[in-house]
Amino acid sequence: EIVLTQSPSTLSLSPGERATLSCRATQGVSSSYLAWYQQKPGQAPRLLIYGASSWATGIPDRFNGSGSGTDFTLTISRLEPEDFAVYYCQQYGSSPLTFGGGTKVEIK
Amino acid sequence: QVQLVESGGGVVQPGRSLRLSCAASGFTFRTYGMHWVRQAPGKGLEWVAVISYDGSVKYYADPLKGRFTISRDNSKNTLYLQMNSLRAEDTAVYHCAKDRGDGDYNYYGMDVWGQGTTVTVSS
Repeated sequence: EIVLTQSPSTLSLSPGERATLSCRATQGVSSSYLAWYQQKPGQAPRLLIYGASSWATGIPDRFNGSGSGTDFTLTISRLEPEDFAVYYCQQYGSSPLTFGGGTKVEIK
Repeated sequence: QVQLVESGGGVVQPGRSLRLSCAASGFTFRTYGMHWVRQAPGKGLEWVAVISYDGSVKYYADPLKGRFTISRDNSKNTLYLQMNSLRAEDTAVYHCAKDRGDGDYNYYGMDVWGQGTTVTVSS
């Protein structure tokens, strides 16, 4: 099983700042089959990024995914008020599919 | 519009069974793989199971093998999760989710999610 470790667990930032979220895998994620999701309280998760760096439909370009192998990053270039949420990475290249523990981006 | 609506959750005693349903609309259900994902109160996301577009291939999270069964009825545009021998640690919101890819046996991320149905296992 591929274990995904996200860091930091909490990121305290102000609107307009840049957020950098990390996701590290215990073994290589095949074909960069890695996704990022955003979840707000009381809501279902929303797909942001798939294939490590491709935007899902309707996702603004301030969200950028990068990385390969075992190290992946989600960058939010300038935080908007609606971006404060919990973010999860997920690998879907091998079974069992697994999620990281999440990074909460909170308002400083 | 594309929509997934879960149902079947509730309060159940330990050791009992429950079947969840997920009604799909707004897309060609029979061509997409489908997932169940759960979230315990205050915790992160946990992938539960996936089923291929035609129902022939199924994968489960290791701890759930043998207790949970995923299935689908493409004639009814409905996904199911049969949960047996329920435990307190199965208490969670259960979401169904559509896979982004269609027509094969690989998986590509989950692009549509339902709001979830709550399962509480308690005596």
